[in-house]
Amino acid sequence: AQSVTQPDIHITVSEGASLELRCNYSYGATPYLFWYVQSPGQGLQLLLKYFSGDTLVQGIKGFEAEFKRSQSSFNLRKPSVHWSDAAEYFCAVAPYSSASKIIFGSGTRLSIRP
Amino acid sequence: GAGVSQSPSNKVTEKGKDVELRCDPISGHTALYWYRQRLGQGLEFLIYFQGNSAPDKSGLPSDRFSAERTGESVSTLTIQRTQQEDSAVYLCASSFRGGVARETQYFGPGTRLLVL
Repeated sequence: AQSVTQPDIHITVSEGASLELRCNYSYGATPYLFWYVQSPGQGLQLLLKYFSGDTLVQGIKGFEAEFKRSQSSFNLRKPSVHWSDAAEYFCAVAPYSSASKIIFGSGTRLSIRP
Repeated sequence: GAGVSQSPSNKVTEKGKDVELRCDPISGHTALYWYRQRLGQGLEFLIYFQGNSAPDKSGLPSDRFSAERTGESVSTLTIQRTQQEDSAVYLCASSFRGGVARETQYFGPGTRLLVL
């Protein structure tokens, strides 16, 4: 069965420090991969998505993610976090382009230390 | 507003009562999705509407859950005989066309349901 694992429930980093949020997926083929952010009081927003091609994907708000097929991972990174990045981050997977379902991980809550 | 709207924003009900949640998608979006987000968990897919096609109801957890959508407009999610385990945030999303991978989903703020 398809699944998405986000092993870190809660991460705290200092403002200005680098960030890496982990995501592993379980799926036979190369799925479509996503990262979403859910800020307090706001709806989910798509940060970036990977379909094919270059394995390093650039997203909004200075985020990037790297697809590593050998590790079945799609980790999210940011070189320098800002206090406004405090939020819940969800990794998600869809099996094919016309899929009606997207499977979400359980999320990683990011806190920023001043 | 041009975004997805949902009402009510909060709903408290008693166990056994029926509730109806509403979603107004972005105008022109043919696809509409409902998700459930339990506390501390990711989103669970519930149902998907795409134009006039038969909806994908495979995510509905029980026959107490149902949803309707008239054309490409408003959708309502109904939960009958609510149970405490139904307590969650119910999120609606819409996209210009169907297919979660090729089309960006735009999410509403959610309805927080508490069943006492």
